[in-house]
Formats: sequence, C-alpha cells, structure tokens
Amino acid sequence: NAGVTQTPKFQVLKTGQSMTLQCAQDMNHNSMYWYRQDPGMGLRLIYYSASEGTTDKGEVPNGYNVSRLNKREFSLRLESAAPSQTSVYFCASSARDTTPYEQYFGPGTRLTVT
Amino acid sequence: AQKITQTQPGMFVQEKEAVTLDCTYDTSDPSYGLFWYKQPSSGEMIFLIYQGSYDQQNATEGRYSLNFQKARKSANLVISASQLGDSAMYFCAMRPSLSNQFYFGTGTSLTVIP
Repeated sequence: NAGVTQTPKFQVLKTGQSMTLQCAQDMNHNSMYWYRQDPGMGLRLIYYSASEGTTDKGEVPNGYNVSRLNKREFSLRLESAAPSQTSVYFCASSARDTTPYEQYFGPGTRLTVT
Repeated sequence: AQKITQTQPGMFVQEKEAVTLDCTYDTSDPSYGLFWYKQPSSGEMIFLIYQGSYDQQNATEGRYSLNFQKARKSANLVISASQLGDSAMYFCAMRPSLSNQFYFGTGTSLTVIP
C-alpha cells in the first residue's frame, strides 16, 4: 500500500501562475483533506471532502479550489498564485465511521511563490 | 467554536527522562476524538495515539500515553524514557464526532538532549 501520495514534492511559481496539486489514497477512505502548514501556525484546513462528490471550505479557503475526482483522488488548485500562498501543503485522508479514524498524511508539497 | 491550544512552543528533555506535552481543547460537542501526531524534521506527519471522549481509561501506545482530564478539557501527551529520535514537532488535534473536520494546535517542538 502506498497510503497517501502527493505530487509534486516541490514547486516554484511566479505570482499569477496557476497549478494543481494532486493527491491520491489507496486506503478506500471516504474523507480527504487539504492543509497548509506555516511556521508557528500549525496545520490549517483549506478544504475537505467528506465523501465522493462533496467538498466543503475549511479555515483558509480563499485563493484555492478543489476537485474530488473520485473516491481516491482529491486535487487542490491555485488559480493565481500569490506570495502569501508560499507554504507546505499536506493532503490527508481518513475513514469516517470507524474509530479511531486517524488521518493519514501524504509527504507534503513545498510550494514557493515568488 | 472548536479550538486546540498548545502553550509550549519548545520543550527540552534529558534522554531517558519522561516529558509531558500540554494540550487543552474547547468544544461544545458531547463526543469527540483527540489525537497526537509527531512531525520529525523530515516533514512527514506520524499518528501516535488516540483518545475517545467516552473512553474510561487513558490511552497508551508503547512509550506514549495520553493523560486525559475531561473536566479540565486537557489531553496531555506523556513520553516516557525519551530517546534522541523523539526530537520533533508534536501536534495535538481534535475531531468532533459530528464533524468531518480535524482541528490542530500550533505544535510543540521537543528536543531530547543526550
């Protein structure tokens, strides 16, 4: 089992460019999440998807869009990147109905916007 | 509102000693789960331990135990017999049972001194 995979691992963008971060899980989890991690601020939820076909905003959704392509895949899109979006992005998944339903995380994408 | 507070930005512990990392939470949901994650310098997020709000006993996983005091809304992580490999960031998180969202604290950086 690969668990949660993310691509790319690193990315540098210029202000105004767009990109999509890809995430896939092979654990048959219903719920998937996108977080950003900035120094001193912990993990902040951008968007999540409780099940295939649904998405909901988290704490910091502005400037991002998501697509739950199928049960396995959940992508995050930056339409017009800004320096404030420089961060490390984590995708995660979890089961929904079986405790302890801990989250499994991908390895992260380090994004720099210049 | 849901909130996780970790008041110790950095902690030091001597190798082989025990250390307690503090976590307090705020929620109005009657049922919730509490989680601790470890993030070493390599960046991945590793699930350590889970406590359900209705669990009668404190959770333990090897050298990790969770000191759960429901009335005080605290869920402190205790690491016994610290090892050099325990040096990492530690995050406390909560998921209300009626929600699909996880809420993270800002983390505590633990350094184990040889």
